[in-house]
This record gives sequence, structure tokens and C-alpha cells, in this order.
Amino acid sequence: EVELLESGGGLVQPGVSLRLSCAGSGFTFKTEAMTWVRQAPGRGLEWVSTIGGSGANKFYAESVKGRFTISRDNSNNTVFLQMNSVRAEDTAVYYCVKGLNKPGGYWGQGTLVTVSS
Amino acid sequence: DIQMTQSPSTLSASVGDRVTIACRASQNIDTWLAWYQQKPGKAPHLLIYKGSTLETGVPSRFSGSGSGTEFTLTISSLQPDDSATYYCQQYNAYPLSFGGGTNVE
Repeated sequence: EVELLESGGGLVQPGVSLRLSCAGSGFTFKTEAMTWVRQAPGRGLEWVSTIGGSGANKFYAESVKGRFTISRDNSNNTVFLQMNSVRAEDTAVYYCVKGLNKPGGYWGQGTLVTVSS
Repeated sequence: DIQMTQSPSTLSASVGDRVTIACRASQNIDTWLAWYQQKPGKAPHLLIYKGSTLETGVPSRFSGSGSGTEFTLTISSLQPDDSATYYCQQYNAYPLSFGGGTNVE
């Protein structure tokens, strides 16, 4: 059974750094592109970043480019989102997604990041 | 960047109604379009990919159509369990993008 367990969210002040983690199980992790999608409170879905299975290919939304870095550790079946210089507008539930828009894709339950002073 | 526009933003319908949600892309995306359903407090899940292919386990009352820039999600006979927000998403090119969502009441 596929599982994605996100962690690392919480209440942080503007300008600080935060690292989200997503541990996957129940599938061949290294063959799957992994994606972070976020949803601000009461708002719609926003794609944040995608990393290919090998980790060589990475893509970012313009809103986070230069501040966020996606990476993965295939030996530990984990994908990360390093969030630097966070802003109030980064406040959202961050979902880790396996196989976005593919059959058999799977979303984690999300981790809430709140940026507030 | 490709912008995705959904309409309507909110839709009220009755059980048994045929419901149609529209999604427009700002440029040609062929059929690289997915539809998701999200219920309050839950993660979204995939209904349709490649414009019209139903994900395994999704009821057959859901269907998708369209290509290029105009797409439609149809629920042939609305059920109480279909009360949710629906999103389209293009994956023709990065950056990926979602529509603003349609709340079906």
C-alpha cells in the first residue's frame, strides 16, 4: 500500500528557513517523479515544485524560484523541500504527491506551514 | 506560462442533475489535462487524466472531454457524495498550473 508521510511544518516567523520532508513507501520510490503542491487557507491548489526520479531534473513555480529547493534521497525514500526566506504568502498546507496527474498517483495528507510574526 | 480558467466558480445542483464544469487553457495543451476532486479537509484525488481517461475506481458518471484549449468535466447524474471542489490541471509544460476550482454544492 502506498504511503506518503509529510513532516516539518509548523509556525515560523517571516524570513526564516524550514525543511519539509516526505517519506514514501509501498512503491519503487526512485522511479517516480515527486511533486509538492500547496494550498493556502480557503484557496485553490498551487503547484510548487517537481523533481524527477533520479533527482537530476527539477522544476519550480516562479513564486518560489530562488527561495525553495527540492531534493530527494532515494536511499531513504524521502523527498525534501527546503524553504528559505519564507513569507506570509507561503502559508499553506503543503502536499507531497507521487505521480501527479498520472494513473495511480497518490497525495499525502499534507503538512501545514504558517508564516507569521 | 499557461493559465487555466475554470467556470463556474460555484455551482448549485440537485441530485440526479447533469453537471458540466468548463476549463480553458491560455494556449494549446493537446489533451494534457487532469481533473481532481477535493473534499473539505482532505487531499485531492485524481478523477481523469489525458483529458478523458477515467482513473481506476472512479464512477462512470464522471467523464472528461476536450482538447487544445477547451475542456469539460461532466457528472452525468449528480450524487450526494459528489459535493466537492473540482480542479483542472495542465501538464503540457512547466510550470504546471491548476484552474481556480469549481465548488459543486
